[in-house]
Amino acid sequence: RKEVEQDPGPFNVPEGATVAFNCTYSNSASQSFFWYRQDCRKEPKLLMSVYSSGNEDGRFTAQLNRASQYISLLIRDSKLSDSATYLCVVVPFSGNTPLVFGKGTRLSVIA
Amino acid sequence: DVKVTQSSRYLVKRTGEKVFLECVQDMDHENMFWYRQDPGLGLRLIYFSYDVKMKEKGDIPEGYSVSREKKERFSLILESASTNQTSMYLCASSLFTSGSDTGELFFGEGSRLTVL
Repeated sequence: RKEVEQDPGPFNVPEGATVAFNCTYSNSASQSFFWYRQDCRKEPKLLMSVYSSGNEDGRFTAQLNRASQYISLLIRDSKLSDSATYLCVVVPFSGNTPLVFGKGTRLSVIA
Repeated sequence: DVKVTQSSRYLVKRTGEKVFLECVQDMDHENMFWYRQDPGLGLRLIYFSYDVKMKEKGDIPEGYSVSREKKERFSLILESASTNQTSMYLCASSLFTSGSDTGELFFGEGSRLTVL
């Protein structure tokens, strides 16, 4: 089983739609979780961290389910500018260890 | 503003050539990383460094080496470039943290290498 797995998509949704991505991770000892966003031909950038209690930033909500070992990202009221690839990122161990990236889920928001 | 600078955005090299990819960060970060990104394969870690003159192999180090002589600079070296090393190379840095709180990764804009 791969360490971090995501549905590659693409997800093609109309403007205003709500879309959700899931990501599963294999290491139950994983400590920290993030969503990064990568625009076409650009570098990845941190979108948000994922906390055990869940967290929200405007139209974006991230959830963590440790029992089932998955994290999710919900985007409400999709905008054209949300079109990007969303990367699920996991820190597999505590301490200063490299992040493990999923392959990304591509989202296209259509007018 | 946070800045990770990669020396070349686009390079074209011939098989067997030695290739240097340079990365400089101005944030005084301890950690630096080199990834390559390929369609369908995502980001794969080549090498990383937690300190000057220190290096650790990532998931795909074969065919690559690195150098970190100064804290702000992390170089990726392809001793003898091959066509299967055609890729987008991304450098990143992060602040050293302890425990379960890993610092945010800041990426450079990437270097697209084509090996003919």
